Amino acid sequence: AQKITQTQPGMFVQEKEAVTLDCTYDTSDPSYGLFWYKQPSSGEMIFLIYQGSYDQQNATEGRYSLNFQKARKSANLVISASQLGDSAMYFCAMREFLNYGGSQGNLIFGKGTKLSVKP
Amino acid sequence: NAGVTQTPKFQVLKTGQSMTLQCAQDMNHEYMSWYRQDPGMGLRLIHYSVGAGITDQGEVPNGYNVSRSTTEDFPLRLLSAAPSQTSVYFCASSKGTGGNTIYFGEGSWLTVV
Repeated sequence: AQKITQTQPGMFVQEKEAVTLDCTYDTSDPSYGLFWYKQPSSGEMIFLIYQGSYDQQNATEGRYSLNFQKARKSANLVISASQLGDSAMYFCAMREFLNYGGSQGNLIFGKGTKLSVKP
Repeated sequence: NAGVTQTPKFQVLKTGQSMTLQCAQDMNHEYMSWYRQDPGMGLRLIHYSVGAGITDQGEVPNGYNVSRSTTEDFPLRLLSAAPSQTSVYFCASSKGTGGNTIYFGEGSWLTVV
């Protein structure tokens, strides 16, 4: 079963507008972390934001925020005030900490969403 | 502080050749891993290690071999390259298996012809 689902293969957003990238996850591990990475056309993986399963508040990092809905198992990334430089692939990933699924410590990635920002 | 260093950045191999992708980190991290990235597939785990002398298989281990003789180094060996192994390879490391700080190398682009 797919553990990380990103249902939007591609998205367009107008410059200066906000955009939400969807991510749902599946785990039986009560302790886990959720990550978002940005991959520009140059190929490197850039860490954006992290949310721990026990964190009470949604994570924020500058223009990035993570809309964490634990009961719904969703961890959507919100980018406010989009910029042309935000055009990239975005990956949601999960790290399970208690080895319930035998993958302790390993990152499990979704297939990504390609975001294009229009001027 | 170099972080995670992968070499080579680009490589073209002929089918059947063997090669080693190097990964080194200078942060004294116990956990290291290798991923491959294919179009439309996201990153998939090949092998990982939770410390020197300990390795284990990930989701797509076939055709690859690893060893971890030191904390710093985690090389990935392609035993007999196949066109299906054409991919981008990423090495990653972290202090342990928990936490939110995972460092990635810059990636290695491998083409098997």
